[in-house]
Amino acid sequence: AQSVTQPDIHITVSEGASLELRCNYSYGATPYLFWYVQSPGQGLQLLLKYFSGDTLVQGIKGFEAEFKRSQSSFNLRKPSVHWSDAAEYFCAVVLFSGGYNKLIFGAGTRLAVHP
Amino acid sequence: NAGVTQTPKFRILKIGQSMTLQCAQDMNHNYMYWYRQDPGMGLKLIYYSVGAGITDKGEVPNGYNVSRSTTEDFPLRLELAAPSQTSVYFCASSRGTSAGHSTDTQYFGPGTRLTVL
Repeated sequence: AQSVTQPDIHITVSEGASLELRCNYSYGATPYLFWYVQSPGQGLQLLLKYFSGDTLVQGIKGFEAEFKRSQSSFNLRKPSVHWSDAAEYFCAVVLFSGGYNKLIFGAGTRLAVHP
Repeated sequence: NAGVTQTPKFRILKIGQSMTLQCAQDMNHNYMYWYRQDPGMGLKLIYYSVGAGITDKGEVPNGYNVSRSTTEDFPLRLELAAPSQTSVYFCASSRGTSAGHSTDTQYFGPGTRLTVL
């Protein structure tokens, strides 16, 4: 069955440090992958998505993600974290069922940023 | 353009009570979704709709009902609230197409935090 795993439940980094959030998927075909961010008390906002083509995807707020088929991964990165990046991050894969897409979410990684 | 709006933001229910969570979008999107978010579990799809008059079950539909009489609105009904329905509920919408699958971005509302005591 299709699934998404985010191995890290919590991550803490210092402001200005680099960041990498891990995401592994299980899917038979070429996956459609997303990263969403949820700020405290807010809904989810799309950071970036990968459907095909260049495996390095640029998103909003300075984030990027790299699709690696050999490792079944779609890790999110940012070279220098800002305090405002403290949030929960969700990786998701599209499941096509009956002709309609459904998003399968990982459990999320909560990011804390130290000043 | 308000995007996806949800009301109420918070609600406390007693066991056995009923309520309707409201969701509206002003982007003329075809697809709408209801998710619940439990701690450490990510989001689970409850119901979805691909257009007015068309709804279908997601992963966790038990205890819920939906209707879609207009493109804009997609209310979620809890008939007999149970403690297991304590969660944060998110409504989302995407542009979609009239046929086949869609990989469009889903836009989320701010959520409704529901507690059942």
